[in-house]
Amino acid sequence: KQEVTQIPAALSVPEGENLVLNCSFTDSAIYNLQWFRQDPGKGLTSLLLIQSSQREQTSGRLNASLDKSSGRSTLYIAASQPGDSATYLCAVDHNSGYALNFGKGTSLLVTP
Amino acid sequence: DAGITQSPRHKVTETGTPVTLRCHQTENHRYMYWYRQDPGHGLRLIHYSYGVKDTDKGEVSDGYSVSRSKTEDFLLTLESATSSQTSVYFCAISESGGQGEAFFGQGTRLTVV
Repeated sequence: KQEVTQIPAALSVPEGENLVLNCSFTDSAIYNLQWFRQDPGKGLTSLLLIQSSQREQTSGRLNASLDKSSGRSTLYIAASQPGDSATYLCAVDHNSGYALNFGKGTSLLVTP
Repeated sequence: DAGITQSPRHKVTETGTPVTLRCHQTENHRYMYWYRQDPGHGLRLIHYSYGVKDTDKGEVSDGYSVSRSKTEDFLLTLESATSSQTSVYFCAISESGGQGEAFFGQGTRLTVV
């Protein structure tokens, strides 16, 4: 069974800092990895999708990398802002290819 | 934003009553999913559908059933609600299953008293 772990579980940083969120998974036979953002009481918003053949994806101040062989992904957030405060979730597809396995998330607080 | 609508958004029900949650999409995506989100457990897959009338179980399917009679609608039914089914339920869609990007609805907060 695919297990997804996210470290740290919670993170507090001052505004302006660059930060890295980590995601690891146990089975490297994945099709893709997806990063989501979840605000309190809200649904999940897709941030970045990395296909298994790709090494990284970028969107604005966000950069996600994927190292399939070692079962790791990182989400880099540049010049953090208070509006970045949210829970960030990492998910990889089941080996069957039908659905996603989620980590438990990293709760990020960016203080002014 | 992907066109996904979950209804109701909030519901309180009594133990032992049947409950049906609805997910409606306007994207014509083939795959639809129901997840539940609980503190300490994260998001867990309940059931999913890979086409009209084609469904399969996820990791926490006991006590739940689903139906998909049209591409756009995916229903989740709790046959006899229990307090352990108090949770936030999310519907998701994907054009190509685990190989494609997934989009989520806003969630339904269900409380079983």
